[in-house]
Amino acid sequence: EPEVTQTPSHQVTQMGQEVILRCVPISNHLYFYWYRQILGQKVEFLVSFYNNEISEKSEIFDDQFSVERPDGSNFTLKIRSTKLEDSAMYFCASRFRTSGTNEQFFGPGTRLTVL
Amino acid sequence: ILNVEQSPQSLHVQEGDSTNFTCSFPSSNFYALHWYRWETAKSPEALFVMTLNGDEKKKGRISATLNTKEGYSYLYIKGSQPEDSATYLCAFAPSNTDKLIFGTGTRLQVFP
Repeated sequence: EPEVTQTPSHQVTQMGQEVILRCVPISNHLYFYWYRQILGQKVEFLVSFYNNEISEKSEIFDDQFSVERPDGSNFTLKIRSTKLEDSAMYFCASRFRTSGTNEQFFGPGTRLTVL
Repeated sequence: ILNVEQSPQSLHVQEGDSTNFTCSFPSSNFYALHWYRWETAKSPEALFVMTLNGDEKKKGRISATLNTKEGYSYLYIKGSQPEDSATYLCAFAPSNTDKLIFGTGTRLQVFP
């Protein structure tokens, strides 16, 4: 069964460093998302991406964040200069174009730890 | 601010017990309500997507109901098994946006 994959499963970085989180969405999906969950808090929306551009972003998704679909399969989230408060589990999700219910399929997450 | 709440936060039950959780969400701008089952280190797995008021869906021992007018959904597990241990997340899909708004989750532990 097709699934969303994410790498790495755990990333440890120093404050101020750049990180890139990688996702491979399900192959025939056209809508892509990033969410995150800070420990003990709700899963929260960061950004949605369609047709090679951001379609919606939250107030969390500031200039330090960017997303890219560099080829036909990968979808990446870059954090330019990480802060302690960026430590969280980051989930990628994807959706088929004609999903009338907005059903999103999630990857297993990347746990980002900023020291 | 769109708020989604789930209760209880955690639940410990014995194998064979039946249990239920609640998800409350805004009753306006409703598009869909999603239930996910999330085991640690795995992908959240979609259980149900509910769109119509009065909807009732079932998958094996798990079922869910939806009341969009009052803004709540119940998830029921009949005869809980240890493999049902997971966090159950509900997510509200508003009509005017593509994002999902999640509740805090209910963490279920089923003891043999």
